[in-house]
Amino acid sequence: QLQLQESGPGLVKPSETLSLTCTVSHDFISSNSYFWGWIRQPPGKGLEWIGTIFYSGSTFYNPSLKSRVSMSVDTSKTQFSLKVTSVTAADTAVYYCARVETVVPGTELGYFDYWGPGTVVTVSS
Amino acid sequence: DIQMTQSPSSLSASVGDRVSITCRTSQSISTYLNWYQQKSGKAPKLLIFSASSLQSGVPSRFGGSGSGTEFTLVISGLQPEDFATYFCQQSYSPPLTFGGGTKVEIK
Repeated sequence: QLQLQESGPGLVKPSETLSLTCTVSHDFISSNSYFWGWIRQPPGKGLEWIGTIFYSGSTFYNPSLKSRVSMSVDTSKTQFSLKVTSVTAADTAVYYCARVETVVPGTELGYFDYWGPGTVVTVSS
Repeated sequence: DIQMTQSPSSLSASVGDRVSITCRTSQSISTYLNWYQQKSGKAPKLLIFSASSLQSGVPSRFGGSGSGTEFTLVISGLQPEDFATYFCQQSYSPPLTFGGGTKVEIK
C-alpha cells in the first residue's frame, strides 16, 4: 500500500522560504507511470494545485505561483520536495503531497489518487 | 484557467437520503472531471475519476455522471460516514483547478 508523508517546519517567517519534503513508501517514486504533486488548502478554504514533478525531474507549476515555486526529486531517498520563496501570510495553509495518475501521458493533467495526511504551515513573524 | 462552480455550497440531509451535488465548469472539459471527499482534519480522498469511474475501494452508493460543462455526484443512501465536504477537480487543461466544495451536514 502506497504511503506518503509530508515533513518540514510548521512556522516560517514572512519573506523567507518554505521548504517541505514528501517521503514516498517503497520505491514507487521511480516508477515511470506516475507523477507526484503538491496541493495546498488555506484555513477554511478550498484546494489549490501548486505543481507536479516526474521522477526524471520534469516539472509543471501553477502559473499563479510559478515565480516563487520550485520542486525537486531525490529517488535515492524516495522523496520529492517543494520550495516556496518570499512567503507571506497568504501562503499559510495545509500542504499535501499526492500521487498523480495522469490522464494525458507526459503532462500534469491527472487526478490525485494517494495523499499524504498533510502538514500545517503558518507564515508569521 | 477553468473555473469550477459547485452547488449547493452546503446541504443538510438525513441518513438514507439520496444526495446530489453539481459541478459546473467555465468551458467544456469532456469527462476530465474528478470527485473527492474530505473529512474534517483529513486529506481528501478520491471517489470518482473521469466523471463516472469509481475508484477502487469506494462504496457503490457513490456515482458520478456528466460531460461537457455539467457534472453530478450522487450518493444513494447517505451513510453516517458520508458527512463530509466534497470537491470536484478538472484534469482537462492546466492549471488543475478545484471547485469550492459542498459540505454535507446532518439534518
